[in-house]
Amino acid sequence: GAVVSQHPSRVICKSGTSVKIECRSLDFQATTMFWYRQFPKQSLMLMATSNEGSKATYEQGVEKDKFLINHASLTLSTLTVTSAHPEDSSFYICSARDPSGGAYIQYFGAGTRLSVL
Amino acid sequence: DQQVKQNSPSLSVQEGRISILNCDYTNSMFDYFLWYKKYPAEGPTFLISISSIKDKNEDGRFTVFLNKSAKHLSLHIVPSQPGDSAVYFCAASAIDQAGTALIFGKGTTLSVSS
Repeated sequence: GAVVSQHPSRVICKSGTSVKIECRSLDFQATTMFWYRQFPKQSLMLMATSNEGSKATYEQGVEKDKFLINHASLTLSTLTVTSAHPEDSSFYICSARDPSGGAYIQYFGAGTRLSVL
Repeated sequence: DQQVKQNSPSLSVQEGRISILNCDYTNSMFDYFLWYKKYPAEGPTFLISISSIKDKNEDGRFTVFLNKSAKHLSLHIVPSQPGDSAVYFCAASAIDQAGTALIFGKGTTLSVSS
């Protein structure tokens, strides 16, 4: 299947700092990428849909000024957690849809574990 | 309100036996369903999918059954192997959603003992 690379895999930061997470599609072009968040023993919650060359679409309840998304190229989307606080600690996962592989299959990155002290 | 429900948080099965994971959905607009497998601290891995025009799809040891009238699908793994131990997520998508973001259930943790 298609490969989605996510970096870094783990981040520990101090409260008040900003953290950037990168998501790359390695062998296909992704006009749309998705960012999910997972709390312990919970489902994957869609945060936002990242669109190449345009603004991201955020789900209800997700602060767009808190979670900045940039999709500057067809292979890279970034999520920046601004002024991170302990409640932002979570597992963040990106995914991308490979159009050539079928419209509905989303491939996921390995995830980023964010711990805010 | 949860649109995709996995009501069993965990399932324990012996090696060689069948594992049956269940999923219910409420949104009648969903037309494509997928199962993902996830290990701790990793992203989900696609397993198998089924469209609403079918009622069964098989891939090796994995078979997904869809009952549209009951809005229910299930994943059968036979024979189960210890390496199948993971969290299994059911996901769904509606045909007319731009970008086709998947909606996930809460997952079922499968433990296969040898």
